[in-house]
Amino acid sequence: DVKVTQSSRYLVKRTGEKVFLECVQDMDHENMFWYRQDPGLGLRLIYFSYDVKMKEKGDIPEGYSVSREKKERFSLILESASTNQTSMYLCASSLGAGGNRNEQFFGPGTRLTVL
Amino acid sequence: GDSVTQMEGPVTLSEEAFLTINCTYTATGYPSLFWYVQYPGEGLQLLLKATKADDKGSNKGFEATYRKETTSFHLEKGSVQVSDSAVYFCALISGGGADGLTFGKGTHLIIQP
Repeated sequence: DVKVTQSSRYLVKRTGEKVFLECVQDMDHENMFWYRQDPGLGLRLIYFSYDVKMKEKGDIPEGYSVSREKKERFSLILESASTNQTSMYLCASSLGAGGNRNEQFFGPGTRLTVL
Repeated sequence: GDSVTQMEGPVTLSEEAFLTINCTYTATGYPSLFWYVQYPGEGLQLLLKATKADDKGSNKGFEATYRKETTSFHLEKGSVQVSDSAVYFCALISGGGADGLTFGKGTHLIIQP
């Protein structure tokens, strides 16, 4: 079974702090994704990566950056956390593109609260 | 751009009732369509999928048929159980799939005994 793990289930940070959310997948997937989930808005794509050191902006990249130094690890960085970044953050990975390769597997999520 | 519209909840049903959650989409080309489920306190799990027109995805008694003519992918189950209580998300991915999923806003389903 594919396993996607996230470093924390719950995180509380203060406004202005630099925040790192870590995601690791164990199935040699090419693609990795970061979403945020908010009530009434569903899931929205922040950033994704289709290869090591490659990254692409999603629908809502403002205030975030990412890092992918190794294939299995994809980090989401909040350079200066703000209260409007309080949310549930979900990481996902997929084998690649096309056909059954694009099925995404999700981690359990990190609920981040910024005070 | 791509978009997914699904009925918002909460939807409350009695056990053994018939379930339909509507989902329609707008996309370029021929997207793949998915239903994901999120149980309380957990991440998303793939429930079923369909990759081309007229395909039927099925899993755990749930079914959905890819209808290109009506751009729909409605989720159905003949007899729901209390354990089906969760949030259900309709989603699509277009093109080659290197991009992220486009999600609907989710439907909260509550099944009462």
